[in-house]
Amino acid sequence: GAVVSQHPSRVICKSGTSVKIECRSLDFQATTMFWYRQFPKQSLMLMATSNEGSKATYEQGVEKDKFLINHASLTLSTLTVTSAHPEDSSFYICSAWDSLGVPDQPQHFGDGTRLSIL
Amino acid sequence: AQSVSQHNHHVILSEAASLELGCNYSYGGTVNLFWYVQYPGQHLQLLLKYFSGDPLVKGIKGFEAEFIKSKFSFNLRKPSVQWSDTAEYFCAVNAARGYSTLTFGKGTMLLVSP
Repeated sequence: GAVVSQHPSRVICKSGTSVKIECRSLDFQATTMFWYRQFPKQSLMLMATSNEGSKATYEQGVEKDKFLINHASLTLSTLTVTSAHPEDSSFYICSAWDSLGVPDQPQHFGDGTRLSIL
Repeated sequence: AQSVSQHNHHVILSEAASLELGCNYSYGGTVNLFWYVQYPGQHLQLLLKYFSGDPLVKGIKGFEAEFIKSKFSFNLRKPSVQWSDTAEYFCAVNAARGYSTLTFGKGTMLLVSP
């Protein structure tokens, strides 16, 4: 089945550091990828929709200058948390749609990245 | 915009007990409905989905869900749970219009005691 690879799986870094998270669709093309954040004991919240070759669409309340998204190819989207602070500590998950599949296909999720800012 | 409500945050069952997890959504149009499962330390996995047709859908591992349009519900069921079903379960919905974003419920943590 379709596989989405997310890297790294875990990051621990100091406050003020920028962290880049990669999301790759391994065996399919994805013009659209999604970035979610999950705080402990809460549901996944959509942060932004990443579109290949164009600017990402951010959800209300998500700072676009804080969470930089780049979707440079049909198989790769990156999320950079700039100048991360402890309140950015969370579980970040990406998902992707198979662009060549029919619409209404389920999203395929990466394994997530647990980000801990000290 | 759509929203999803899951009734129970935590459910504790003994093995072989029957399971039903509630999920209600709100949206003015046609929707696709999903149940995802997240086992401890693992990524989200799709359990089952409803797009159209038979409102009773069967998924993996013996799970099923029934879409009741009049009640805006999509409850997840399993006749006899196993210890290995311990996980967090998320109901999700998106608008049935091509590539639309998923809205998730807050999840239900299921603990099955052996």
